[in-house]
Amino acid sequence: EDQVTQSPEALRLQEGESSSLNCSYTVSGLRGLFWYRQDPGKGPEFLFTLYSAGEEKEKERLKATLTKKESFLHITAPKPEDSATYLCAVQAYNTGNQFYFGTGTSLTVIP
Amino acid sequence: EAQVTQNPRYLITVTGKKLTVTCSQNMNHEYMSWYRQDPGLGLRQIYYSMNVEVTDKGDVPEGYKVSRKEKRNFPLILESPSPNQTSLYFCASRTGGDEKLFFGSGTQLSVL
Repeated sequence: EDQVTQSPEALRLQEGESSSLNCSYTVSGLRGLFWYRQDPGKGPEFLFTLYSAGEEKEKERLKATLTKKESFLHITAPKPEDSATYLCAVQAYNTGNQFYFGTGTSLTVIP
Repeated sequence: EAQVTQNPRYLITVTGKKLTVTCSQNMNHEYMSWYRQDPGLGLRQIYYSMNVEVTDKGDVPEGYKVSRKEKRNFPLILESPSPNQTSLYFCASRTGGDEKLFFGSGTQLSVL
């Protein structure tokens, strides 16, 4: 069964304190791994897609990396506006039209 | 503006009273889907549609119906809602050539 596990569940950082969020997955034939940001009262917003081990993507203070078993979302020098829940999702080749989401990491950045 | 629009935003109903949550997208996307989001369980797919008149079950389809008569619309129907369907619902869409999902703002449903 395809599974996605995110850790930690919640993370509090001081402004400027860099850290990483983890997404571990078990899937038969990874087609893609996705990161989304979700603000309170809103739908998830797309951040990155990663397709193969070793791939990296960057956007402002965020950098996503992928290995064969997990993905990391690195946050460098975060700001309070980075506070949100970050969701990870996987798509497998054998179930290509379905996306399996983790439960998310709730990030709070304190000024 | 490209968007996925869900209505209503909030809905309180009683057990057994049929309801429909509407979803519309203005991006000419082929693929549309419905998710429910529950604390500790994350987003779980209810139904999806690859195109007009083509729908398929996701992981938690029991108690729900969908239809795709037009490309832009994908309503979610609860014919006899029960309290265990109290949840936050999201509609999402994507184009066939891109795996990126666009989500609506959500519908918070409470079934009493």
